[in-house]
Amino acid sequence: GAGVSQSPSNKVTEKGKDVELRCDPISGHTALYWYRQSLGQGLEFLIYFQGNSAPDKSGLPSDRFSAERTGGSVSTLTIQRTQQEDSAVYLCASSLVADSYNEQFFGPGTRLTVL
Amino acid sequence: AQSVTQLGSHVSVSEGALVLLRCNYSSSVPPYLFWYVQYPNQGLQLLLKYTSAATLVKGINGFEAEFKKSETSFHLTKPSAHMSDAAEYFCAVISTGANNLFFGTGTRLTVIP
Repeated sequence: GAGVSQSPSNKVTEKGKDVELRCDPISGHTALYWYRQSLGQGLEFLIYFQGNSAPDKSGLPSDRFSAERTGGSVSTLTIQRTQQEDSAVYLCASSLVADSYNEQFFGPGTRLTVL
Repeated sequence: AQSVTQLGSHVSVSEGALVLLRCNYSSSVPPYLFWYVQYPNQGLQLLLKYTSAATLVKGINGFEAEFKKSETSFHLTKPSAHMSDAAEYFCAVISTGANNLFFGTGTRLTVIP
């Protein structure tokens, strides 16, 4: 079946612009995660959604970052007023449920470059 | 608190040689441990996971890892490296009851023909 898909695969933007990154999880997966992979910080957790529960936003680095998940499926990560330090690969993952046991399946990522 | 340390950001081995990638973890509660592989321009793929059922875990592509509580380690091994094993490998930990993964900084494996 189809895996996790993300769009766009690459995004180049100018400092100060807003960007939206999209994630389509595996059908039937109730949990969805966003991670960021950058040279300086490695792989960092940003936020996760479990069903219709309030998301865990504990990993978001600043209030310029937000995410939503509509209808319990597709998710959008929004970065407002982008900064050069936001340049990274943004990875989305999904799992059957959000717990420590179920495997997280990762998408190919969106490479964001802020000029 | 939980964290993962991967020793060696780059490891080079000859084709056919033993692969050993090191991972040490820190967790205040019993952890689940994972190894992921990332090929160029691709997402992360799960190699194997430890969930307390057995200390020696076998994964895909001939990889295995052994959980050693006394050493707080979960090193990844493969008896004989193939060229196709060249990739970046990430060790990750999640504590029981938690939901998000904590990753190590990754080890880039180069296989020399």
